[in-house]
Amino acid sequence: KAGVTQTPRYLIKTRGQQVTLSCSPISGHRSVSWYQQTPGQGLQFLFEYFSETQRNKGNFPGRFSGRQFSNSRSEMNVSTLELGDSALYLCASSLTTNEQFFGPGTRLTVL
Amino acid sequence: GIQVEQSPPDLILQEGANSTLRCNFSDSVNNLQWFHQNPWGQLINLFYIPSGTKQNGRLSATTVATERYSLLYISSSQTTDSGVYFCAWGFGNEKLTFGTGTRLTIIP
Repeated sequence: KAGVTQTPRYLIKTRGQQVTLSCSPISGHRSVSWYQQTPGQGLQFLFEYFSETQRNKGNFPGRFSGRQFSNSRSEMNVSTLELGDSALYLCASSLTTNEQFFGPGTRLTVL
Repeated sequence: GIQVEQSPPDLILQEGANSTLRCNFSDSVNNLQWFHQNPWGQLINLFYIPSGTKQNGRLSATTVATERYSLLYISSSQTTDSGVYFCAWGFGNEKLTFGTGTRLTIIP
């Protein structure tokens, strides 16, 4: 069974631009969560989607948004990029037991 | 909010040694996971262990939910075990709260 996939793997943007990251969960998994990892703040929860509905949201500004499609694929968008948004963005999917499985991540660099 | 503390923050061991990593959490738990982050950043699942004990090869884990801690044991360490180990806590929803990690370095 294929794991969680994320695209793109690496991304370089400049301040003020926006970016969209994509995540495809493990087949059959309907919950998708997003996390941000930075050296200063560690791993932090962004949001979680289940059946196209956002069920849970972390403490991030409104510039961070996401959505989930009917096939459970999810995208997250960051608008008006800031230098501090440079991070590794990780996506995880889960079935029913709460155990989460992570993708390889997208490394975003904002210049 | 929930506090998830990992100790020690850094651990340097000789190949072949055993190690114990600890994760303390400040609230009730129904999801406790251990991960190994590989050099490319991916979190590799080690254990899903909200309670009890599990073993997988040289690795084992124990969670004592009533005392709010979990332990990860690595026996006969190999250089490939090097990296950062995270525990993550969850309760009632899909949000995981991560500890700050233990950086393990195995010296040949």
